Amino acid sequence: KQEVTQIPAALSVPEGENLVLNCSFTDSAIYNLQWFRQDPGKGLTSLLLIQSSQREQTSGRLNASLDKSSGRSTLYIAASQPGDSATYLCAVYSGGSNYKLTFGKGTLLTVNP
Amino acid sequence: DTEVTQTPKHLVMGMTNKKSLKCEQHMGHRAMYWYKQKAKKPPELMFVYSYEKLSINESVPSRFSPECPNSSLLNLHLHALQPEDSALYLCASSPSQGGETQYFGPGTRLLVL
Repeated sequence: KQEVTQIPAALSVPEGENLVLNCSFTDSAIYNLQWFRQDPGKGLTSLLLIQSSQREQTSGRLNASLDKSSGRSTLYIAASQPGDSATYLCAVYSGGSNYKLTFGKGTLLTVNP
Repeated sequence: DTEVTQTPKHLVMGMTNKKSLKCEQHMGHRAMYWYKQKAKKPPELMFVYSYEKLSINESVPSRFSPECPNSSLLNLHLHALQPEDSALYLCASSPSQGGETQYFGPGTRLLVL
């Protein structure tokens, strides 16, 4: 059974700092990996999706990397802003012919002005 | 239009009530999903519909009954719920059930009294 772990559970940084969020998964037979953002009481917003054959994806100030063999992904946020404050969820697609997303518990990020 | 809409935003119901949650997307996606999310926990998959047919049922109690009337609509019928069913119910869609990016709606906040 796939298990996804995110470290740290919570992170507080001053505005402008670069930061890294970590995600690890137990079964390396994944199809792809997706990073989401969730604001309190809201739905999920997709940030980046990395195919299993890719090493990284970039979107603006966000860069996600994937090391499938070691079961790890990182989300790098450059020049953090207070508007980046949210919970960041990592999720992996795995499982036979019916792909399912397995989520980590998330990292609660607070960027202080 | 990359929007998934959900109604209602909030719902309070008694344990003997019957209610329905609705989800709609107009992106031409052929896979639609229901997730349940408890406070400070990641989303948990409940059901997946692929091409309007139930593809995955994650052993959800029968008091939750999904329905996919057409490719744009997904309903979740609720009957005889328990207080522990109180949660945020999220709908998502993707082009197919092939590990592509899932787009999430804002969710319905359900409180069972």
